[in-house]
Amino acid sequence: GEDVEQSLFLSVREGDSSVINCTYTDSSSTYLYWYKQEPGAGLQLLTYIFSNMDMKQDQRLTVLLNKKDKHLSLRIADTQTGDSAIYFCAEVFGNEKLTFGTGTRLTIIP
Amino acid sequence: NAGVTQTPKFQVLKTGQSMTLQCAQDMNHEYMSWYRQDPGMGLRLIHYSVGAGITDQGEVPNGYNVSRSTTEDFPLRLLSAAPSQTSVYFCASSWGRRETQYFGPGTRLLVL
Repeated sequence: GEDVEQSLFLSVREGDSSVINCTYTDSSSTYLYWYKQEPGAGLQLLTYIFSNMDMKQDQRLTVLLNKKDKHLSLRIADTQTGDSAIYFCAEVFGNEKLTFGTGTRLTIIP
Repeated sequence: NAGVTQTPKFQVLKTGQSMTLQCAQDMNHEYMSWYRQDPGMGLRLIHYSVGAGITDQGEVPNGYNVSRSTTEDFPLRLLSAAPSQTSVYFCASSWGRRETQYFGPGTRLLVL
């Protein structure tokens, strides 16, 4: 079955770049998403990438997709305290089921 | 637009009690779904609906029922609550299964 894995925790100093990684097992994934969940809130879509793309940049966010290694990453440049949250990668596989990773809790160190 | 709304925000139940978690959206989305979020397990799909009158099971459907009598509403029913159902529940909606999903703020449920 499909499996999406993420590290549970990441700590980054304010102003540095954060890189959140995600790996998946199903090579037929079509859409890949990054969602952000702030404390006590629901998930908000941050960005997404189609599986035929290698990279997408949106202001401070850069998504990289390595299809060969089935690896997706989210880079946040100039990390701010407001970036503290849990970040979920999610993927739509061939059968169109949306599968979420376990989430990575990003902590910003002042 | 209010987006996706969920009520209640918090609920405490005793084992065996029943309750309904409400979800509504005002974006005319066809696809709606319920997830539960547990520590270290991400979000797991409970039930989903591709349109009014149509529902189907997700990854963890046992202990939950849903119905979709209108496009706007998608309630989740717990018929006999169990401590294993202690979780945070999120409702989401989208134009289609592959489209961006919009999430409600969540319902935090504690079953004693």
